[in-house]
Amino acid sequence: EADIYQTPRYLVIGTGKKITLECSQTMGHDKMYWYQQDPGMELHLIHYSYGVNSTEKGDLSSESTVSRIRTEHFPLTLESARPSHTSQYLCASSVTNTGELFFGEGSRLTVL
Amino acid sequence: AQSVTQLDSHVSVSEGTPVLLRCNYSSSYSPSLFWYVQHPNKGLQLLLKYTSAATLVKGINGFEAEFKKSETSFHLTKPSAHMSDAAEYFCVVSEGQAGTALIFGKGTTLSVSS
Repeated sequence: EADIYQTPRYLVIGTGKKITLECSQTMGHDKMYWYQQDPGMELHLIHYSYGVNSTEKGDLSSESTVSRIRTEHFPLTLESARPSHTSQYLCASSVTNTGELFFGEGSRLTVL
Repeated sequence: AQSVTQLDSHVSVSEGTPVLLRCNYSSSYSPSLFWYVQHPNKGLQLLLKYTSAATLVKGINGFEAEFKKSETSFHLTKPSAHMSDAAEYFCVVSEGQAGTALIFGKGTTLSVSS
């Protein structure tokens, strides 16, 4: 079983609020990722990191930001949430160069 | 450019009958291919992967997949479905080993009835 944790699992907030989705892994993996998942759709990469102080935007444009101050921690922040941000956000990590991802259980965000 | 198409959005089987989830891919290079499973309210878990070794790949929980280059397919099969197999299954293609190069299919929901 993968040791990667996401909090909160479920979050309902109002428009304009700032939120941070937490992601932590205890496997010592260098690479970490954030994916956005909507029902019946592909997973889309929105952010990734190759290590401490490394962050890059993914294929899908997102108004969220990420940071990587510690190897095990990769939080995602929305400064001002909107209804269009309603989605499930999945965090993942990987051992370098294997292509195998370990996923957290996801954070389901609803913005009213 | 690489892409992946899961041919069925929903597959329903009876417990004890075979499972077939179909996946076609497009890739300019020799791809790596993966199947992931997602149970309700859980994260994705790797079922199996093909990385240019044996074309028949065995995974966890009795699943296997066969890489057919001539058909550009990587179908997932299991001889006998179990109730616990009910989940969402994602076919994934990658032209590199890096996680950022992964392209996910839209998923196939597998329902298993008793």
